This record gives sequence, C-alpha cells and structure tokens, in this order.
Amino acid sequence: EDQVTQSPEALRLQEGESSSLNCSYTVSGLRGLFWYRQDPGKGPEFLFTLYSAGEEKEKERLKATLTKKESFLHITAPKPEDSATYLCAVNQAGTALIFGKGTTLSVSS
Amino acid sequence: DVKVTQSSRYLVKRTGEKVFLECVQDMDHENMFWYRQDPGLGLRLIYFSYDVKMKEKGDIPEGYSVSREKKERFSLILESASTNQTSMYLCASSPGLAGARDEQFFGPGTRLTVL
Repeated sequence: EDQVTQSPEALRLQEGESSSLNCSYTVSGLRGLFWYRQDPGKGPEFLFTLYSAGEEKEKERLKATLTKKESFLHITAPKPEDSATYLCAVNQAGTALIFGKGTTLSVSS
Repeated sequence: DVKVTQSSRYLVKRTGEKVFLECVQDMDHENMFWYRQDPGLGLRLIYFSYDVKMKEKGDIPEGYSVSREKKERFSLILESASTNQTSMYLCASSPGLAGARDEQFFGPGTRLTVL
C-alpha cells in the first residue's frame, strides 16, 4: 500500500498558467513533509520542509502548504525553467524518508 | 551550502564485478543514505547510517553492502554486479540524530550500467 501518492504523474502547462501538484500521505506520526525538485540526470534538490498542518512555505513562484492528509505545491505563473520532476517525501517517526514517485512538470513558452 | 559528492557520474561494469560507489559530504552530517532510482519505481532506500561504523538496512538491501569508516564518507558496494542493478544511485546526508526531522541533501547521482 502506497504511503505517499503524488498526482498527477505528469502535468503540462503553458508559461504563466498557474496550477498545483498534490501529495497525499497515509503515514501516522508525521514528523515532516519535504518537497524536492529533480532535473533530468541529476540528484534531487531540496525545496521545503513542512512540519504541521496549516504551515506554508514560499520560494519564488513556488508555495507549499500542508494539511493533515496532504500537501500542495502551488506554482504561480510558471516559466519554462520550472520544468522538472517534483518529489514529495515524508518522515515517519523513527524511519527514514518515504518518497512518492513524483510529478513531472513541463512548462512551454 | 551543503555539498554531497559522488565519485563517478557514469560507470559501466561487467556482470560479476565488484563495484564501489563512494559518497562524501562536507557538512559534518550524522546521517548518510544510499538510494537507487528507477523509472516508475521512484527512490528506494538501500542502506543508511546514523553513525560511523553503524549501518541499517533499507527497503532493498539484497545484493548490496555498505561501509562507513569515517563520518564524512559512505560507500556502497555491489559484491557481484548483476544487470538488474543497472540504475541511478543517489547518496544523501542529513544533519541530525536517528528519527530527527531533518531534510536530506542529495549528491549528483551515479548512473551505473552493468553489462
């Protein structure tokens, strides 16, 4: 049973077309939720950590939010350079990170 | 900035060879991790270490071993490489103690091909 599910698997946007990526989780005792960006052929790059429901973090055109069951990564007015795979991971008490399979975002000009 | 480096970006080995993948971090982090990443399967944890000379199995340890003789260095060893170990291997480190709420920082990855 998947503990971290990301949707959609792939998302195509036009430049400037805002949207959201979803990460839902079923783990108990959440100790943190993490968002990463991964470019093809490279290692994941850390973006945000969220610890409690209601928390929000922002970085440039990205804003991450957290509820008790899911997190959203909102992308406002995306640019082609935002094209990447976005990974979500959760830290359950006493274990290493559990990763979702990612959402591949393509932004065309 | 945290820097995690991996010894090779690309590696080609033959079936049955012993393969060493090296990872070094420069931020005095306690925790280090080895993952493999395959299309459709995402990131899967192979082994991790919370301290020097200490190791814990992850989700897919079969066919792999690890070594952590120094705090900054974590090695992944394929005792006898097989074609199903062709993959992208990613090393990561995080600062805190076991179970801590720490983000992990990743290296650039090693693309290993076993022929």
